[in-house]
Amino acid sequence: NAGVTQTPKFQVLKTGQSMTLQCAQDMNHNSMYWYRQDPGMGLRLIYYSASEGTTDKGEVPNGYNVSRLNKREFSLRLESAAPSQTSVYFCASSGGLEQYFGPGTRLTVT
Amino acid sequence: QKEVEQNSGPLSVPEGAIASLNCTYSDRGSQSFFWYRQYSGKSPELIMFIYSNGDKEDGRFTAQLNKASQYVSLLIRDSQPSDSATYLCAVNSGGYQKVTFGTGTKLQVIP
Repeated sequence: NAGVTQTPKFQVLKTGQSMTLQCAQDMNHNSMYWYRQDPGMGLRLIYYSASEGTTDKGEVPNGYNVSRLNKREFSLRLESAAPSQTSVYFCASSGGLEQYFGPGTRLTVT
Repeated sequence: QKEVEQNSGPLSVPEGAIASLNCTYSDRGSQSFFWYRQYSGKSPELIMFIYSNGDKEDGRFTAQLNKASQYVSLLIRDSQPSDSATYLCAVNSGGYQKVTFGTGTKLQVIP
């Protein structure tokens, strides 16, 4: 039982490049989330998916898109990366209100 | 005003002492409250949740909730150096998307 997994662990992009962050959970949870964490800002919700087939914007959605591929997988796409998107990205899942986090992706945009 | 406020610390306590971490929130309609521990360079890990006023104990950890004062705290008894981490308070105000995290309090347990 791996819990929540994320790939890649680290990534460096140049401004304007695109990439997709992958997330998968094996806990049969309905809800999945993408957060970014920046120093002094705490965790901020980018997008969430309350159930398979639905996605909604969180607090900071601009510059991102998501896909809930199936119940297990929830991906986050940066279409044209900007230096302001340098951050640590966490995926989380929940079957109720408690959220369980993946190990994170450290993204640097130069 | 931030929705969930925590003192950033660091809070330094000697080994074996009680560490007291505090969190205030602004939404009176908040129903569920969570404490996460985050080691440096790692992801947040859920350690406690509380829904009702009063105390909830789990091993060395006690969560305390006072909805009238909009205040939630985490006590760590017999603090150990391995407890050194950042502790995040999270508050749910209704619905899956309404979990707001504080910026965390850094705890240092001095051997």
